[in-house]
Amino acid sequence: AQKITQTQPGMFVQEKEAVTLDCTYDTSDPSYGLFWYKQPSSGEMIFLIYQGSYDQQNATEGRYSLNFQKARKSANLVISASQLGDSAMYFCAMDLPGSARQLTFGSGTQLTVLP
Amino acid sequence: EPEVTQTPSHQVTQMGQEVILRCVPISNHLYFYWYRQILGQKVEFLVSFYNNEISEKSEIFDDQFSVERPDGSNFTLKIRSTKLEDSAMYFCASSEAAPGGGQPQHFGDGTRLSIL
Repeated sequence: AQKITQTQPGMFVQEKEAVTLDCTYDTSDPSYGLFWYKQPSSGEMIFLIYQGSYDQQNATEGRYSLNFQKARKSANLVISASQLGDSAMYFCAMDLPGSARQLTFGSGTQLTVLP
Repeated sequence: EPEVTQTPSHQVTQMGQEVILRCVPISNHLYFYWYRQILGQKVEFLVSFYNNEISEKSEIFDDQFSVERPDGSNFTLKIRSTKLEDSAMYFCASSEAAPGGGQPQHFGDGTRLSIL
């Protein structure tokens, strides 16, 4: 069965520093996608970055990058130059095999950026 | 940038009543989803919809729930005979193609459902 694990319930980082949020996954499907979403306290889900299992290079989107280590089944999110507005819950998700490839989510990491 | 729109943002309903949550997916998207997040918990998949029919559903999505795409733009989730444990944030999402092909699911801002 597919599974996503986020082992850090909470993280603190100083403003302008980089932070890594951990995500490990388990699947037997060779084709899968890994996603990171940000959920601020207001509740909306904001898509940040995507990595496909066959992608050769790590995904990057602005200050976000995904450290994809396929052999270790990890897909860590790296946020560079943290800003106060980055304080939020961050969810790692993986799509499941099936016609519509719905997402399964991890339990999330609450990131707090300190001034 | 196009976005998924959900209404209402907050719905308060008496237990036992029916509620309809509405979503307008991004216009060129083909796959539609409903997810649920109980307060403080992870996001859970409810149902996916493609080509005017349900393609996948979770064990949460029992006979109490139904989805419909009544016209070319709206996508609704109906919950019949609501229970206290249905209180949650409900997210609609849409995707241009099945995400395994590299297309992310874009989420709406959610509807917070409170059952009294």
